[in-house]
Amino acid sequence: DSGVTQTPKHLITATGQRVTLRCSPRSGDLSVYWYQQSLDQGLQFLIQYYNGEERAKGNILERFSAQQFPDLHSELNLSSLELGDSALYFCASSPDFRPGNTIYFGEGSWLTVV
Amino acid sequence: SQQGEEDPQALSIQEGENATMNCSYKTSINNLQWYRQNSGRGLVHLILIRSNEREKHSGRLRVTLDTSKKSSSLLITASRAADTASYFCATDTGRRALTFGSGTRLQVQP
Repeated sequence: DSGVTQTPKHLITATGQRVTLRCSPRSGDLSVYWYQQSLDQGLQFLIQYYNGEERAKGNILERFSAQQFPDLHSELNLSSLELGDSALYFCASSPDFRPGNTIYFGEGSWLTVV
Repeated sequence: SQQGEEDPQALSIQEGENATMNCSYKTSINNLQWYRQNSGRGLVHLILIRSNEREKHSGRLRVTLDTSKKSSSLLITASRAADTASYFCATDTGRRALTFGSGTRLQVQP
């Protein structure tokens, strides 16, 4: 158990809908990362937050947004969902913002868009 | 495109054999890490090697890094069925979060 908690574990929704994925980082970790894993794109970095502020941005679509709250939990919002958004979404955390940190992954949220 | 590319994409060996996976990357790095992923689960950190290190060991794992060739290898010795998983290299270029390769799927036959 990495200490990173993600909910929900599985989600099935229709095209055009909006979903929110939630993440609680390891105790004491200030950085949260979101990654998307799909068969065709592999593991893609989406976005990083550090202590409530956006720290780095990756291949995140404009239809997606994220935030980190004062209690350090984070949410990833996916809107106007398309079939191609079906993927495993991971949250990960690390103690600080340094890019080379070891990061600790949650078990992921499986999103299926039908 | 991915910063790291693992080779081979898939590997099947017998229990007790050694497994070697390779990772090539494109730009200079600060460190390189290897992660393991059991099917459909989260990734787990295995080992980190810094750019000024050439070899590192952890239990049955041995990692090498050749910065002149921009490549790394992960050796798992005396493999077990429980080592069956996907293995990813991840590079730290100092610019943003770790960039992961495409992974090697390892199957260890009992």
